[in-house]
Amino acid sequence: DIQMTQSPSSLSASVGDRVTITCQASQDISNYLNWYQQKPGKAPKLLIYDASNLHTGVPSRFSGSGSGTDFNLTISSLQPEDIATYYCQQYDALPPLTFGGGTKVEI
Amino acid sequence: EVQLVESGGGLVKPGGTLRLSCAASGFIFTNAWMSWVRQAPGKGLEWVGRIKSKTDGGTIDYAAPVKGRFTISRIDSKSTVYLQMNSLKTEDTAVYYCNTAGIVWGQGTLVTVSS
Repeated sequence: DIQMTQSPSSLSASVGDRVTITCQASQDISNYLNWYQQKPGKAPKLLIYDASNLHTGVPSRFSGSGSGTDFNLTISSLQPEDIATYYCQQYDALPPLTFGGGTKVEI
Repeated sequence: EVQLVESGGGLVKPGGTLRLSCAASGFIFTNAWMSWVRQAPGKGLEWVGRIKSKTDGGTIDYAAPVKGRFTISRIDSKSTVYLQMNSLKTEDTAVYYCNTAGIVWGQGTLVTVSS
C-alpha cells in the first residue's frame, strides 16, 4: 500500500500569512494527488486535483505543486475562512486509495 | 443541483448488520464511479471502497479492514449506491460518506457500533 505522510499535523498562522503543507508518498505516484479541505462537521471539499489543478470555484490563493513523491499545498494569504483540516489523497494505485493524516490549520 | 444524500446510519451492536444508501441526483449516475469514505470520531479520512460504472466493468475494490465484511452495490435505475455492512466491529464506528470522483460528497451518515 502507498503511505501518505503529511506535515505538519497542525499549524497556527496569522491572517495574511503564507502557509505551506507538505505531503510525501511512499512511492512514485506521478501527479495522481488530490487536496481536500474539511471543516468541522462537514464533508471534505476538493481543492486541487492532479497535484496542481485548481478545482472549479476554489479561490486562487490556493495552489498545489509537486510530482513523484513530494507535494505541497500552499495558501498564499491565509483568510479566516481557511480554518480547517487539509488532507492529501493519492489515486495512483488502489486498492487502497490512501489519505494523508491531515493538517489542522488554526489562526 | 448535483447532490448525494446518505441514509441508513444508526446504532448497532457488535456483530450486527447495517445497510447504508446514497441517493444521487443532478448528474448522470450511470457513468459515475462511486466511493465510500469513513471518518472515525476525531480521526482522519479512511477510504472504504469503490464501485466503477457498469460501462467501465463494474469492478468493486475494498480496503483491507472491511474486505469480506462490507459489500458495495449499485442500482443505476434508482441512482443509488449501497454499502452493506456485516459483522460490524466497534472500530467501524464512523461517519460514512459517499462521493463521486472526490468532487461531489454526501453529508455523511453516522454509524455507531456499541453494545
